[in-house]
Amino acid sequence: QSALTQPASVSGSPGQSITISCTGTSSDVGSYNLVSWYQQHPGKAPKLIIYEVTRRPSGVSNRFSGAKSGNTASLTISGLQAEDDADYYCCSYAGNYILVFGGGTKLTVL
Amino acid sequence: QVQLQESGPGLVKPSETLSLTCTVSGGSVGTYYWSWIRQPPGKGLEWIGYIAFSGITNYKPSLKSRASISADTSKIQFSLNLNSVTAADTAVYYCASRTGTNPWWFDSWGQGMLVTVSS
Repeated sequence: QSALTQPASVSGSPGQSITISCTGTSSDVGSYNLVSWYQQHPGKAPKLIIYEVTRRPSGVSNRFSGAKSGNTASLTISGLQAEDDADYYCCSYAGNYILVFGGGTKLTVL
Repeated sequence: QVQLQESGPGLVKPSETLSLTCTVSGGSVGTYYWSWIRQPPGKGLEWIGYIAFSGITNYKPSLKSRASISADTSKIQFSLNLNSVTAADTAVYYCASRTGTNPWWFDSWGQGMLVTVSS
């Protein structure tokens, strides 16, 4: 299983919205609604922000939303805030009891 | 929500075995799913594998021949052994858990532990 494909970097100004894509294949993202997203600040452990494509854990801001179309999942962050400046990783079930992560996207809040 | 803490040697020699333990508080390894994930310096996350409450394990195919995850329910710990290590195994190793009916995302993470492979 190959890593899912994410853009290396995205940027936006405070208050704007950005979307991060996560492209897989028909064997992973395209076949299962088991995509999750994680936020990671430097030197910290990742934090779950989206699971099952669109669901938010308790306590996660509703500024974070997820979607999927075909083999591509996406994470949208609306109303960008300085604290959103972090790395973001997607992850998908890939069948045969295997998980695969994306390469990560660095979000810069300008 | 469970709390997780990794422990073990921070330096391992090439060709030897990397052994890490994750101590669980606020939960039991006799329930749910317990995973290991690693992150080489400056790079992305890589799933290593998991152990289920039933004792069933599954691993990333490319690591399956070298990795072993086990659990000690009496000590509320689970462990990772990775043998025949090389410099490419240098990474921050995270233990993580999924307190639900499947292991396909991680709702709790340890703080991570850097393991360096070097002579």
